[in-house]
Amino acid sequence: GNSVTQMEGPVTLSEEAFLTINCTYTATGYPSLFWYVQYPGEGLQLLLKATKADDKGSNKGFEATYRKETTSFHLEKGSVQVSDSAVYFCALTSSGSARQLTFGSGTQLTVLP
Amino acid sequence: DAGITQSPRHKVTETGTPVTLRCHQTENHRYMYWYRQDPGHGLRLIHYSYGVKDTDKGEVSDGYSVSRSKTEDFLLTLESATSSQTSVYFCAISPPSSGGTGELFFGEGSRLTVL
Repeated sequence: GNSVTQMEGPVTLSEEAFLTINCTYTATGYPSLFWYVQYPGEGLQLLLKATKADDKGSNKGFEATYRKETTSFHLEKGSVQVSDSAVYFCALTSSGSARQLTFGSGTQLTVLP
Repeated sequence: DAGITQSPRHKVTETGTPVTLRCHQTENHRYMYWYRQDPGHGLRLIHYSYGVKDTDKGEVSDGYSVSRSKTEDFLLTLESATSSQTSVYFCAISPPSSGGTGELFFGEGSRLTVL
């Protein structure tokens, strides 16, 4: 079956630091990969996505590259801000369940001023 | 704004009582979902619907039932709530613009506490 493994948190960084949150996956077929973000007290919202190998998703300074050879989709940002403090979820859908997302356990990020 | 409203937003109930959570959408999207969020587990799919009266089970469906009698409403029912169902419940929709790739829009969540 499908599964997503994220680095465990919580992660605490100083403002302007470099961020990496690791994500690896197991899936049947050719999955689409996603990063969702959840700000305090809110629902999840899509941050970025990639639908095929070597695609790079990007949004709000965040980037992730779909690496089929390492089954990874690591999230990166060059300079984090306090407003980036949130929980980040890696997720996938596969060709056998295109409309069902499988989520990782989430990584709590706190950015200190 | 994806036009998703969940109700109630907060509920405290006792073990053994029935509970119904409502998800209402204003966009008439075909696909709707119920997820639960628990620490260390991320979000897990409970049930989903692909049309009026068309529903299917997700990963953690035991103890839950759903109904969709109108396109805009998707109800999640706990027939007899247990403490293990204490969680935050999220409704989500999949718009046609997502092209079936799995992009979802989520409601703000319903926090349920079962004492």
